[in-house]
Amino acid sequence: QKEVEQNSGPLSVPEGAIASLNCTYSDRGSQSFFWYRQYSGKSPELIMFIYSNGDKEDGRFTAQLNKASQYVSLLIRDSQPSDSATYLCAVHYGGSQGNLIFGKGTKLSVKP
Amino acid sequence: NAGVTQTPKFQVLKTGQSMTLQCAQDMNHNSMYWYRQDPGMGLRLIYYSASEGTTDKGEVPNGYNVSRLNKREFSLRLESAAPSQTSVYFCASSEGIPGYFGDGTRLSIL
Repeated sequence: QKEVEQNSGPLSVPEGAIASLNCTYSDRGSQSFFWYRQYSGKSPELIMFIYSNGDKEDGRFTAQLNKASQYVSLLIRDSQPSDSATYLCAVHYGGSQGNLIFGKGTKLSVKP
Repeated sequence: NAGVTQTPKFQVLKTGQSMTLQCAQDMNHNSMYWYRQDPGMGLRLIYYSASEGTTDKGEVPNGYNVSRLNKREFSLRLESAAPSQTSVYFCASSEGIPGYFGDGTRLSIL
């Protein structure tokens, strides 16, 4: 069974620090990787995707992928209280669009 | 610009009742999805539609049916609601991986 694992948290960081969110996946053939942000009581919002090994930067967000270790992470630089949310990792293991597995999410709390 | 619109936002049903959750998108996307989200379980795919006229089962399809009425609309039907279907239901649309979600329907089955 294909699985996506995340630490549920909560992960607490001070304002201005780097928040590091981690995700591991079980299927070595997985092809693309996504990060969603979900504020409490709201719907998920796609914020990053990465397909190739290495880093991908978008503003304060950096996604990192290591396929050999089956590991994907999201770094948030200069964390702000508005970044406080649950971050969902999702892995597409190829084939149809339905083959997208979500992790259970990591709750991030940024303290002023 | 509405994006993805779900109705209703809240609903309480009794066991055995039926209901249809409605979803419409105005972004001309081909793909639409229905997910449920339960505490501690993450998002799980119920059904999806890659294009108008096609539907496919996801991870947890039992107890549900769907209809892709046209390119804009994708409905989810519970024929005989059960307490295990108490959840938050999200509709999503995209041209590929789900990128745009509706606000959700909070459904309680008593």
